[in-house]
Amino acid sequence: QSALTQEASVSGTVGQKVTLSCTGNSNNIGSYAVGWYQQISHGAPKTVMFGNSLPSGIPDRFSGSKSETTASLTISGLQPEDEADYYCSTWDYSLSAVVFGGGTKLTVL
Amino acid sequence: EVQLVESGGGLVQPGGSLRLSCAASGFTFSSYAMNWVRQAPGKGLEWVSAISGSGDRTYYADSVKGRFTISRDNSKNTLYLQMNILRADDTAVYYCAKGRGAVDIKIDYWGQGTLVTVSS
Repeated sequence: QSALTQEASVSGTVGQKVTLSCTGNSNNIGSYAVGWYQQISHGAPKTVMFGNSLPSGIPDRFSGSKSETTASLTISGLQPEDEADYYCSTWDYSLSAVVFGGGTKLTVL
Repeated sequence: EVQLVESGGGLVQPGGSLRLSCAASGFTFSSYAMNWVRQAPGKGLEWVSAISGSGDRTYYADSVKGRFTISRDNSKNTLYLQMNILRADDTAVYYCAKGRGAVDIKIDYWGQGTLVTVSS
């Protein structure tokens, strides 16, 4: 069982706005910024958001936010190329470990 | 441009050993913590181990503690993972991943991965 909880699957149509969530506790998300990683067809993961900072080269339709122990990744104006698995992750100070969510499979209909 | 290139994966028998390497470029290697993350076939990402920029602090997942050792050679810009007493459930693609600071383990860049298969 993953330390962080994500939806197993989310779907949306082209152009729609979708939000993926990641729930933890005060030892992890409540204390640290959260990274979001996109993995297409089990290729190498790519960072698409860190905290609310957009890495270079990532479209600005991606945005991140956090409220207490839940982080969110929002994709505004969904595109076919956004179809992928998305993982959230951060540091957990009680475990002294990086923790991941189980991943959300995003399907673009 | 940050580049992380893993090597050393392959087929090994249960109980055997393997050493993975990750050659880093495009950033000041000694100024950043580094991680190993793995992904078993059809499964999600699992953090394995991390090391601080200077190498004085190391961290391990419970599943590998006592069997795996992370290390780094800052003069060679290279990260290592020595894996001993390998088991079938260690079969996975192993990714090298860069941290965000010298002691900030959280991940911002990833390598392409190297496949480790543990089977007789």
